Amino acid sequence: AQSVAQPEDQVNVAEGNPLTVKCTYSVSGNPYLFWYVQYPNRGLQFLLKYITGDNLVKGSYGFEAEFNKSQTSFHLKKPSALVSDSALYFCAVRGNTGFQKLVFGTGTRLLVSP
Amino acid sequence: GAGVSQSPSNKVTEKGKDVELRCDPISGHTALYWYRQSLGQGLEFLIYFQGNSAPDKSGLPSDRFSAERTGGSVSTLTIQRTQQEDSAVYLCASSQDSHTQETQYFGPGTRLLVL
Repeated sequence: AQSVAQPEDQVNVAEGNPLTVKCTYSVSGNPYLFWYVQYPNRGLQFLLKYITGDNLVKGSYGFEAEFNKSQTSFHLKKPSALVSDSALYFCAVRGNTGFQKLVFGTGTRLLVSP
Repeated sequence: GAGVSQSPSNKVTEKGKDVELRCDPISGHTALYWYRQSLGQGLEFLIYFQGNSAPDKSGLPSDRFSAERTGGSVSTLTIQRTQQEDSAVYLCASSQDSHTQETQYFGPGTRLLVL
């Protein structure tokens, strides 16, 4: 069965600095990987996904993520953080055969200070 | 454009009562998913529909939970005889189809509180 680990409950970064939110996964076969963001009292908003091809995926709001097959990681990155990026971030994975449910990590709270 | 909508946004009920939660998917999306988000427990998959069929009901926590979808559009999640442990945010998502590479788009959720 697939699983996702987000090892950091919270990441703190100063505005203007680069940010990284870590994600590692386990899945049989090739993975489909997703990042979502959740603002307070809101649903999840899709940021980006990796299906195949280029290991560096660019998404919404200046975020990007790098797929690393050997390290089974899919870390979320942004070159310059904004205070408005403060939110809860979820990594998710699905296997690529048949129907497989989307499995989410426990989430990482990002706090960007002014 | 219209996204996934859910109603009610908040629901307070007494233990033992039945509740119905509604989800309107994005127009044209054939796949629909229900998740539960509990404090400190992340997102838990409950059930999905492809069209009006629910091929995978394995995530429903108990037989008090049921869901249906009619006309390939609106879905209702029903919780009978609610318990306090049912308190959570119930999220609905939809995608073009149930192929695993399709992006799921989420609604704002229904916050359920069972007293």
